[in-house]
Amino acid sequence: GQGVEQPDNLMSVEGTFARVNCTYSTSGFNGLSWYQQREGHAPVFLSYVVLDGLKDSGHFSTFLSRSNGYSYLLLTELQIKDSASYLCAVRDRGSALGRLHFGAGTQLIVIP
Amino acid sequence: EAAVTQSPRSKVAVTGGKVTLSCHQTNNHDYMYWYRQDTGHGLRLIHYSYVADSTEKGDIPDGYKASRPSQENFSLILELASLSQTAVYFCASSDLTGASQNTLYFGAGTRLSVL
Repeated sequence: GQGVEQPDNLMSVEGTFARVNCTYSTSGFNGLSWYQQREGHAPVFLSYVVLDGLKDSGHFSTFLSRSNGYSYLLLTELQIKDSASYLCAVRDRGSALGRLHFGAGTQLIVIP
Repeated sequence: EAAVTQSPRSKVAVTGGKVTLSCHQTNNHDYMYWYRQDTGHGLRLIHYSYVADSTEKGDIPDGYKASRPSQENFSLILELASLSQTAVYFCASSDLTGASQNTLYFGAGTRLSVL
């Protein structure tokens, strides 16, 4: 079957780092995206990866391993305002247009 | 200058009534989507469209219809609203190709309560 799985919650300390994991199983693979969603707001695009390896984008970095169906979003030098839900989304090749499948999101809480 | 605008922002509907949610985008994007989000759950795709006058079923289309009269506008219609359709609804748009296809721009959401 198809699915995108993420842990429900994650807590980290301000100034350190947090790694948000995502595992997926889809009909083919055509890219993976990460979104940030603050309480009561719409998701906001953070990052997109389609090739294996680490993509360093400063505060947010993204890792992908297609053979393992695994990705993570790494947040460094955490700030309190990074507290939010982080959504992983995978686009499959199951149809000509490809559907974007979202995980349920990981709620990150950054504590002082 | 919100590029994806949804209306209304919130709506209370009665069971069995008709509800129309509207979405307007100024991104000049070909793709438009309707998702619903329930507390503690991820976004689930209801309907989407890649060109005006054409819509496609997503993962949970039952109980919903969609209409794309123009590139800019995409509506979601609940002909007979039910309690189970209480949720937050997000409209989104994206470009057609490559990495842009995976970059969705979301509207602010519509909170629908069916009583």
